[in-house]
Amino acid sequence: SQKIEQNSEALNIQEGKTATLTCNYTNYSPAYLQWYRQDPGRGPVFLLLIRENEKEKRKERLKVTFDTTLKQSLFHITASQPADSATYLCALWGYQKVTFGIGTKLQVIP
Amino acid sequence: DAMVIQNPRYQVTQFGKPVTLSCSQTLNHNVMYWYQQKSSQAPKLLFHYYDKDFNNEADTPDNFQSRRPNTSFCFLDIRSPGLGDAAMYLCATSRGTGTDTQYFGPGTRLTVL
Repeated sequence: SQKIEQNSEALNIQEGKTATLTCNYTNYSPAYLQWYRQDPGRGPVFLLLIRENEKEKRKERLKVTFDTTLKQSLFHITASQPADSATYLCALWGYQKVTFGIGTKLQVIP
Repeated sequence: DAMVIQNPRYQVTQFGKPVTLSCSQTLNHNVMYWYQQKSSQAPKLLFHYYDKDFNNEADTPDNFQSRRPNTSFCFLDIRSPGLGDAAMYLCATSRGTGTDTQYFGPGTRLTVL
């Protein structure tokens, strides 16, 4: 069956460092992958989309990579700030719908 | 300006008592979605409308129904809420399907007593 795996354990990093979050998937051949941010008690907010023919996408301090051979996407936040603390969800398009991962909670420590 | 509005933000209902959650959008998007998200879990798609076309997910219980009377509004009806239906319910919209970004509302937290 299709599966999206994100590290469900929280990731704690020091302010100023680069945070790297991982999204692995099986039994998908997604045409694209999205990353969303979700704050407690709020709906997800779209951050970035990367297509299967793109290796890397950047937006300000955010960078996403997409390796269809490894079936993995990496999400990087450079120069992290306490305001970046949130849960980050990856979402894949496949089987005629978007499916979300469980998300990884990022805590940036001042 | 709020683009996807959900009311109420918090809803308490009794076991078995029907409840309706509301979503409205100012984006004039064609697609409206309802997701269920339980604590520390991924948002789970229940169903979506593309214009007036209703698309139900295969594993969505019959207890969950939806109505979309016009482009701007969509409702989620839970006919007989059980304790397991307590969750955050998220409404989202997009211009189309596929690569189009989904815009989420703030969610309605449902408690079932």
